[in-house]
Amino acid sequence: AQSVAQPEDQVNVAEGNPLTVKCTYSVSGNPYLFWYVQYPNRGLQFLLKYITGDNLVKGSYGFEAEFNKSQTSFHLKKPSALVSDSALYFCAVRDTGGFKTIFGAGTRLFVKA
Amino acid sequence: NAGVTQTPKFQVLKTGQSMTLQCAQDMNHNSMYWYRQDPGMGLRLIYYSASEGTTDKGEVPNGYNVSRLNKREFSLRLESAAPSQTSVYFCASSVDLKSYGYTFGSGTRLTVV
Repeated sequence: AQSVAQPEDQVNVAEGNPLTVKCTYSVSGNPYLFWYVQYPNRGLQFLLKYITGDNLVKGSYGFEAEFNKSQTSFHLKKPSALVSDSALYFCAVRDTGGFKTIFGAGTRLFVKA
Repeated sequence: NAGVTQTPKFQVLKTGQSMTLQCAQDMNHNSMYWYRQDPGMGLRLIYYSASEGTTDKGEVPNGYNVSRLNKREFSLRLESAAPSQTSVYFCASSVDLKSYGYTFGSGTRLTVV
């Protein structure tokens, strides 16, 4: 069965510092991996995806994520955090042979000025 | 640039009451989904519709029914609301089931008292 874990409920970082939001996954085959962001009172917005190819994928708003097959991880990163990055971030996974997308519980990112 | 539109945005129901959550998309997507979001649990799939005329159960379908009225509209009905159905409900759509990303609505916050 597919699953995705986001081990941190909240991540705190100072503005200008690098940020990492962690995600690990479990699928029976090869994964498709996604990150979404949710701002207050809004729906989820797609940030980036890993399908195949380069392990480092770049997405919206300066975010990137690194796929690590051996560690079954897909951590979200940004070199320099902004206060406006404060939001709820969801990692999601789908088996390449299926279509159901499983979402993690979410990690709240708080960027302090 | 409407995307996915959900109504209502907020609703309070008494236990046993019924209601229908509405969702419409204007992107000519074939597939649509209903998720519920609960703290610490991420998003869980209630029902989905692969294409017009078809619907299928997701992870947590009990207590809900859906109707894919046409290609644009996918409604979620609570026949007899229970406090356990207090949640935030999101509708999403994608080109098809194999698409790599979803477009989400802004959500309906439902409280059952």
